[in-house]
Amino acid sequence: DAKTTQPPSMDCAEGRAANLPCNHSTISGNEYVYWYRQIHSQGPQYIIHGLKNNETNEMASLIITEDRKSSTLILPHATLRDTAVYYCIVRNSGYSTLTFGKGTMLLVSP
Amino acid sequence: KAGVTQTPRYLIKTRGQQVTLSCSPISGHRSVSWYQQTPGQGLQFLFEYFSETQRNKGNFPGRFSGRQFSNSRSEMNVSTLELGDSALYLCASSLTLDPTGELFFGEGSRLTVL
Repeated sequence: DAKTTQPPSMDCAEGRAANLPCNHSTISGNEYVYWYRQIHSQGPQYIIHGLKNNETNEMASLIITEDRKSSTLILPHATLRDTAVYYCIVRNSGYSTLTFGKGTMLLVSP
Repeated sequence: KAGVTQTPRYLIKTRGQQVTLSCSPISGHRSVSWYQQTPGQGLQFLFEYFSETQRNKGNFPGRFSGRQFSNSRSEMNVSTLELGDSALYLCASSLTLDPTGELFFGEGSRLTVL
């Protein structure tokens, strides 16, 4: 799987949009971008995934650049409960397992 | 419906002992995978099972083993425990082996080796 690069930590004010960047410059054509998050001491939780088009669901939006070398996860109105480690994962379409990196610790403050 | 259930949630063992952890996937899910999470190494893939067969294995020593039963429930075993085996062990289930499918994680079993 392609490697990803994420900032180790980010801060966000409650109610504001949180924009979490991810670089995956070596991504190949059959690899998907996945985002999971892990709230302290819980199992990771799926957020969203995409291949080349932007995606939106009830939790977040995923913006993938045209060259697919980077993406941004957007939490439109961050709440305190969104404080977690966010993992950007590039997943090969031939494998069902996930390769986690270090992730970004997002701290949402009042 | 019920999520992924892992038991026990917490356990303490001493070096040299062995441990068995259990995972019950979401009803209808046939794929189960295991991950180890430590502060130093982060989340690392252990192995994956589908229809009682191991489909994929991570880079862990042979002391780590697992199996899946006909009802899709899975167990993993660690023999001759070492201090470095202290970790949160996470189980995830999915409907199939479809690489685009969502993985649902349990709360984990936290193992402490003394």
